[in-house]
Amino acid sequence: QQQVKQSPQSLIVQKGGISIINCAYENTAFDYFPWYQQFPGKGPALLIAIRPDVSEKKEGRFTISFNKSAKQFSLHIMDSQPGDSATYFCAASKAAGNKLTFGGGTRVLVKP
Amino acid sequence: KAGVTQTPRYLIKTRGQQVTLSCSPISGHRSVSWYQQTPGQGLQFLFEYFSETQRNKGNFPGRFSGRQFSNSRSEMNVSTLELGDSALYLCASSFSPTYNEQFFGPGTRLTVL
Repeated sequence: QQQVKQSPQSLIVQKGGISIINCAYENTAFDYFPWYQQFPGKGPALLIAIRPDVSEKKEGRFTISFNKSAKQFSLHIMDSQPGDSATYFCAASKAAGNKLTFGGGTRVLVKP
Repeated sequence: KAGVTQTPRYLIKTRGQQVTLSCSPISGHRSVSWYQQTPGQGLQFLFEYFSETQRNKGNFPGRFSGRQFSNSRSEMNVSTLELGDSALYLCASSFSPTYNEQFFGPGTRLTVL
């Protein structure tokens, strides 16, 4: 059972454009929703995270939108840069415990 | 502050052998989790350790095991290796099990021939 579904699998965006990645979860016990960025040959790097008591969180060019009733959350990358080209993973975990359930990943390519 | 370190970075083994991977968490972090990353299955949780105790275990066979030492360093072991065990094994550390923020190491790339 895939508890966190991520879409799209890949996307291409022009430099300066907006990248949008969506995730949907099933387990209502999930309480923490991070996004990770992974470059080839590297481990995932924590980008930004949100909890259900907040509908939006912004850090620099990265924004998480959270819809608790729809059990969906999304990552927006504003003013996308070629250096943002990477694979992005959404994830979810319960309040207690560090067991992250990951989405399938989205490969983002930013064209100059 | 140094990040999560994993050794070795690359490993080649043959079927039937066993392997031990090591992880040193960020200084002050006491929770360590392990994940397997493959192209087909993505990122999957293996287990989590805190205060030398396994708190959580993912859906992997008993050939996968781990432990944590009093200094929070952790090891995972895979016995009787199978071709399908070829993967990137990632270690993540967190301050505590309830702190949630996890930081990943670079991983150990295991190839089973």
